Amino acid sequence: DTGVSQDPRHKITKRGQNVTFRCDPISEHNRLYWYRQTLGQGPEFLTYFQNEAQLEKSRLLSDRFSAERPKGSFSTLEIQRTEQGDSAMYLCASSRDSPLHFGNGTRLTVT
Amino acid sequence: GEDVEQSLFLSVREGDSSVINCTYTDSSSTYLYWYKQEPGAGLQLLTYIFSNMDMKQDQRLTVLLNKKDKHLSLRIADTQTGDSAIYFCAESIIPRTGNQFYFGTGTSLTVIP
Repeated sequence: DTGVSQDPRHKITKRGQNVTFRCDPISEHNRLYWYRQTLGQGPEFLTYFQNEAQLEKSRLLSDRFSAERPKGSFSTLEIQRTEQGDSAMYLCASSRDSPLHFGNGTRLTVT
Repeated sequence: GEDVEQSLFLSVREGDSSVINCTYTDSSSTYLYWYKQEPGAGLQLLTYIFSNMDMKQDQRLTVLLNKKDKHLSLRIADTQTGDSAIYFCAESIIPRTGNQFYFGTGTSLTVIP
């Protein structure tokens, strides 16, 4: 069990640029979640996949955000035309039944 | 909707017991969880309890669940400086086809040597 892996750990980008993050879940986990966390807050749900199907998206997820899980294994989260308000920690988690197992996150800073 | 509440801060002396409290609103919760987050890291699962249980003990950790009052607590015995972190309470509601997990805002535990 290698755990949930996220890449990169840190990303600094200029406003208006596009960024993409990757998540590799625990191999036998069929459910994959993306969360966003800002300072002093708990994780906020963004989107959820069961296998390759994206079953739910939060209304927090504007049309600048898109997520994929093409073969039901790894997932990518892309943010287009980044804004300073997108600066946050982006957490990926996976599960088979329960509970959630988290990666160490990607910290995004938009300058 | 689902609402999970925690107090924001707790300070204890090393060697004392810590008790972190959480309340939730959804009576259909299936599992309740405690996660620990250290600076710059993701959330680490500490323990969880099925909603038909009252108590679970795991080494220094004791989870108490009062389902009637929708109150969950985490007791850490013999608190150490390495226990300083943010602790998140979470609930899950299974089965659901979409998102199943809801988190509190976290309790920051400071252990004073």
